[in-house]
Amino acid sequence: ILNVEQSPQSLHVQEGDSTNFTCSFPSSNFYALHWYRWETAKSPEALFVMTLNGDEKKKGRISATLNTKEGYSYLYIKGSQPEDSATYLCASVAGGTSYGKLTFGQGTILTVHP
Amino acid sequence: DAGVIQSPRHEVTEMGQEVTLRCKPISGHDYLFWYRQTMMRGLELLIYFNNNVPIDDSGMPEDRFSAKMPNASFSTLKIQPSEPRDSAVYFCASKNSAGGLDEQFFGPGTRLTVL
Repeated sequence: ILNVEQSPQSLHVQEGDSTNFTCSFPSSNFYALHWYRWETAKSPEALFVMTLNGDEKKKGRISATLNTKEGYSYLYIKGSQPEDSATYLCASVAGGTSYGKLTFGQGTILTVHP
Repeated sequence: DAGVIQSPRHEVTEMGQEVTLRCKPISGHDYLFWYRQTMMRGLELLIYFNNNVPIDDSGMPEDRFSAKMPNASFSTLKIQPSEPRDSAVYFCASKNSAGGLDEQFFGPGTRLTVL
């Protein structure tokens, strides 16, 4: 994988459903993986920054896991609520790039229906 | 802290006109990033600065685009002349260290429409 790829592109779920989506990134020269949440008409806000293989982060009903060897991260939302509707972006940071330059995926657009 | 401030929030201009977008980073942050968001290409990095010095401008699409950071609290992105394909949302972001573990803080964006 040469670029950061996210799937699915969009997702519609019902309120209360749990859901997850994927971020794939280059595993060679990996340094860190960022997840951002981007609500319509607002700006992206950081959810998690992960760096260690097997790392798992949690914030409320949202959690993320990281597999640096195979180059993927999952974002999970438990019991989705309408306010979770947003675009979820992941971004990778390559090693040796000490300035924190992020390469973003295209995002997953989540819509939670009441 | 007011966060990253961008102006204008919306800009509508005609093809051929000069457009200047402005950004004020969070006080104390020494990295500043300019991004462009389009449906086709997603969020792409145009250029970033460290301590007011441009570090990587490889994402700047062509010579019509230029960016400056005259001091730690102000940066501009200029497009001259503008073209319809420049229509996009332009974000500015800042952060306060060199590490890849530090989140970037994004401004509200400027929605540019070139007619």
